[in-house]
Amino acid sequence: LAKTTQPISMDSYEGQEVNITCSHNNIATNDYITWYQQFPSQGPRFIIQGYKTKVTNEVASLFIPADRKSSTLSLPRVSLSDTAVYYCLVGLVDTGRRALTFGSGTRLQVQP
Amino acid sequence: DAEITQSPRHKITETGRQVTLACHQTWNHNNMFWYRQDLGHGLRLIHYSYGVQDTNKGEVSDGYSVSRSNTEDLPLTLESAASSQTSVYFCASRPDEGYNEQFFGPGTRLTVL
Repeated sequence: LAKTTQPISMDSYEGQEVNITCSHNNIATNDYITWYQQFPSQGPRFIIQGYKTKVTNEVASLFIPADRKSSTLSLPRVSLSDTAVYYCLVGLVDTGRRALTFGSGTRLQVQP
Repeated sequence: DAEITQSPRHKITETGRQVTLACHQTWNHNNMFWYRQDLGHGLRLIHYSYGVQDTNKGEVSDGYSVSRSNTEDLPLTLESAASSQTSVYFCASRPDEGYNEQFFGPGTRLTVL
């Protein structure tokens, strides 16, 4: 599995856009990039997944450059409720028979 | 609505006791996983199952066992609880088709005294 590197923590204020970058220099050709969000005292929750360029859903956007060695999770206009730990994962998606490898994640603290 | 539940949500036990944590999902997913999460760390895989009667060891399986007698349940047993097993335990499931979305339960906080 490709190793990922993320900042340990980030701080932001309500209403700002937050960009969390993940480095994955050894990403393989068939690997996808997936982001999870974990609130305190809860299990992780899937946010978004992509392979290249840009993916957007109702929660976030994921930007992946052409070389795919990094990716950026973008959270538009964060609120206090976006305070959580965000995990970047890289791996195959060809089958559900795969456990996920979580790193330490990025702890986002949103201030009023 | 389909869901995944864990019980108990909190458990305090003593060193040497056998403890079983329950996990139940109603999505009919074949694939189920147990992770542990220690303070300030990501999740580490304990055991996983791809279907009934199938179980596999993860990276931190020592001292733990699982059994899969039906699709809905994957109980995790600590054979002889140790203080090093104090942690938060998460169960997860996912469907067979290719996608990286795992569905996690709410977690069980286990304290071994």
